[in-house]
Amino acid sequence: LAKTTQPISMDSYEGQEVNITCSHNNIATNDYITWYQQFPSQGPRFIIQGYKTKVTNEVASLFIPADRKSSTLSLPRVSLSDTAVYYCLVGPEGGKLIFGQGTELSVKP
Amino acid sequence: NAGVTQTPKFQVLKTGQSMTLQCAQDMNHNSMYWYRQDPGMGLRLIYYSASEGTTDKGEVPNGYNVSRLNKREFSLRLESAAPSQTSVYFCASSEAGGELFFGSGTQLSVL
Repeated sequence: LAKTTQPISMDSYEGQEVNITCSHNNIATNDYITWYQQFPSQGPRFIIQGYKTKVTNEVASLFIPADRKSSTLSLPRVSLSDTAVYYCLVGPEGGKLIFGQGTELSVKP
Repeated sequence: NAGVTQTPKFQVLKTGQSMTLQCAQDMNHNSMYWYRQDPGMGLRLIYYSASEGTTDKGEVPNGYNVSRLNKREFSLRLESAAPSQTSVYFCASSEAGGELFFGSGTQLSVL
């Protein structure tokens, strides 16, 4: 199983770009990389998913280098409402999906 | 469109009591999962079911049993509740592609 390592916490200010990097050195060939956001008292919510290179959607970008041993979630121009815990999840489709410790992002005015 | 529905939302048990947490999804997903989240901690996988008729242990299966009743429903049973099982329990489902859809959670207290 691919174990993930993320920073425990990060601070930012409104309007800044935030990059959260996740390390997953033993990622398997059939593993996808998925990022989730969780607010207190709620279940995690899907942000973005990728397999390799770069993926972008309306809320974030995901950068994955060629060796796939890490990934970086990029949140452009964060606001106070982006204060949450962000999880990097690595695993196969429908398989054993283990969450890491997550990164607690605090956005300040 | 309900998504993933969990019942009950809150439950208080005494040590040694048993109960079943129910989870149902209406998205025709093959895979379903049970996670627990202790205060201030990340999610830990209890059991999962990759497809109807199969179940597998996750990280913390001791003290729990599961049943994949059909494609829609995946229940979690505590046979003899212990205070260490006080937690928030989340059910999730996914289809090919891996995106997990979560229910709203069950807050369980064991006294």
